[in-house]
Amino acid sequence: DVKVTQSSRYLVKRTGEKVFLECVQDMDHENMFWYRQDPGLGLRLIYFSYDVKMKEKGDIPEGYSVSREKKERFSLILESASTNQTSMYLCASSYGSGPRQTQYFGPGTRLLVL
Amino acid sequence: AQSVTQLGSHVSVSEGALVLLRCNYSSSVPPYLFWYVQYPNQGLQLLLKYTSAATLVKGINGFEAEFKKSETSFHLTKPSAHMSDAAEYFCAVSDGSASKIIFGSGTRLSIRP
Repeated sequence: DVKVTQSSRYLVKRTGEKVFLECVQDMDHENMFWYRQDPGLGLRLIYFSYDVKMKEKGDIPEGYSVSREKKERFSLILESASTNQTSMYLCASSYGSGPRQTQYFGPGTRLLVL
Repeated sequence: AQSVTQLGSHVSVSEGALVLLRCNYSSSVPPYLFWYVQYPNQGLQLLLKYTSAATLVKGINGFEAEFKKSETSFHLTKPSAHMSDAAEYFCAVSDGSASKIIFGSGTRLSIRP
């Protein structure tokens, strides 16, 4: 079974802090994604990556950056956390190219910024 | 541009009743469509997906969905609801390029005893 793990289930940070969210997948997937989930808005794509050291902006990249130094690991960075970044963050991965690929999700990190 | 609309942010049915969750899509290319489920405090998992092989798609846990091109719909159904079906359900469409998919806003399904 594909396993996607996220470093924390719950996180509380202060405004202005630098925050790192880590995601690791164990199935050698090329593609990795970071979403945020907010009530009534569904999932919105922040950043994604098709390969090591490659990244592309999603729909809401402002205030975020990412890093993919190894194929299995995709990190989301909040350079200076703000209260409007309080949300559930979900990481996902998928295999190969093309539009029919299933995405496999981690359990999520619920981030509270005070 | 591709998009999905889920009608009804919250649906409540009695145990044993029919479950119907509605999804309409918009796509400039032949779409690939997905239903994902999120149980409380968990990530999303795939229920089923349409990839043009058959219009009626069967998924896990007794769910199925029918692709209707003329209605641009991909509604999710289950003949008899179970308490364990209580979750949030997301319809999604491929964005037409590479591996991105676009999610709807979700429908929370509640089951009444």
